[in-house]
Amino acid sequence: NAGVTQTPKFQVLKTGQSMTLQCAQDMNHNSMYWYRQDPGMGLRLIYYSASEGTTDKGEVPNGYNVSRLNKREFSLRLESAAPSQTSVYFCASSEIRTGGTDTQYFGPGTRLTVL
Amino acid sequence: GEDVEQSLFLSVREGDSSVINCTYTDSSSTYLYWYKQEPGAGLQLLTYIFSNMDMKQDQRLTVLLNKKDKHLSLRIADTQTGDSAIYFCADPWRGYQKVTFGIGTKLQVIP
Repeated sequence: NAGVTQTPKFQVLKTGQSMTLQCAQDMNHNSMYWYRQDPGMGLRLIYYSASEGTTDKGEVPNGYNVSRLNKREFSLRLESAAPSQTSVYFCASSEIRTGGTDTQYFGPGTRLTVL
Repeated sequence: GEDVEQSLFLSVREGDSSVINCTYTDSSSTYLYWYKQEPGAGLQLLTYIFSNMDMKQDQRLTVLLNKKDKHLSLRIADTQTGDSAIYFCADPWRGYQKVTFGIGTKLQVIP
């Protein structure tokens, strides 16, 4: 049971290049998320997917696109990378429990630098 | 929108108690979380407290919730070097799929 996996772990891009960050979970969760973490800013939600086939914008969606390929996989695409997108990106998944609480399970992160 | 605030840094000696504080502005959530992030890793849920509770104890962890003052705290008793991490307060005020995280408090434990 690997939990949430992300690839790659590290990436350096030049301004204008594109790339896709991959995320997969093996916990059969309905909901999946993409966050970015920046110093002094905490975690900010980029996009989320409440279930297979649906995606919604979070706080900071500009410059990103997502695809919920199936229940397991949720990818994040940068079409034309900018230095402002240098960050650590975390994927997470969750399932709501009886009683109304949930736990988000996070991947190990992708450290992206855009030059 | 919701604002979740935490101090950036806390340093304690090994064996002492640590208290990490958080204030929030939206009181509609039915529960609040504490997450822990160890160096180079993603966040892990540490504990949560329902909004109808004042206190929750779980081994060395004590969570206190003051709804009147919108203040949440996490106390770690007998702090160990393995507790060195960043601790995030989080509020699912817009529903569990849109959680607002604080900026995180970095706890440094001095041997």
